[in-house]
Amino acid sequence: QQQVRQSPQSLTVWEGETAILNCSYEDSTFNYFPWYQQFPGEGPALLISIRSVSDKKEDGRFTIFFNKREKKLSLHITDSQPGDSATYFCAASADTNAYKVIFGKGTHLHVLP
Amino acid sequence: EAAVTQSPRNKVAVTGGKVTLSCNQTNNHNNMYWYRQDTGHGLRLIHYSYGAGSTEKGDIPDGYKASRPSQENFSLILELATPSQTSVYFCASGPRVSNERLFFGHGTKLSVL
Repeated sequence: QQQVRQSPQSLTVWEGETAILNCSYEDSTFNYFPWYQQFPGEGPALLISIRSVSDKKEDGRFTIFFNKREKKLSLHITDSQPGDSATYFCAASADTNAYKVIFGKGTHLHVLP
Repeated sequence: EAAVTQSPRNKVAVTGGKVTLSCNQTNNHNNMYWYRQDTGHGLRLIHYSYGAGSTEKGDIPDGYKASRPSQENFSLILELATPSQTSVYFCASGPRVSNERLFFGHGTKLSVL
């Protein structure tokens, strides 16, 4: 059973466009949602995160939109740059079991110059 | 910046052999994790630990053992390696209070022939 789903699996945008990466989850106890960015040959690194008490989190060109009722969230990357080309993982955890972080399968983002 | 070091970076093993993957963190984090990353599956949790002497099963523990002899070190052990365990393995550490940020190592690429 996959608890965190991501779409699309792969996304290609042109430099300057907005990339939209989608994520959904099943477990209503999840209340913390980090997004990790991974470049080839490296481990994932935290990019931005949101708690379920908020519906939006912004950090520069990166914004998370969160819909608790629908159990969906999305990561918007505005003014996409070739350096943003990477794999993005949506993850989820619950304070009731904070040791366990569940990752989605990832979205491969390609930004063309 | 928090540091998680994995060794070796690459490993080739034979079927039926014993493999030990090592991880060291200098973050003084209580929680440590082992994930494997495969195309089409994203990151899957194998074992985790919330302190020296403790190990817990993750989502896919079969065929793997873990050892946490100290705060800094967390090992993943494959007693009888199989080709299906060919993968990239990531170690991560995180603070006790919450998993708001996991710090990942650069990964170990394991090939079992």
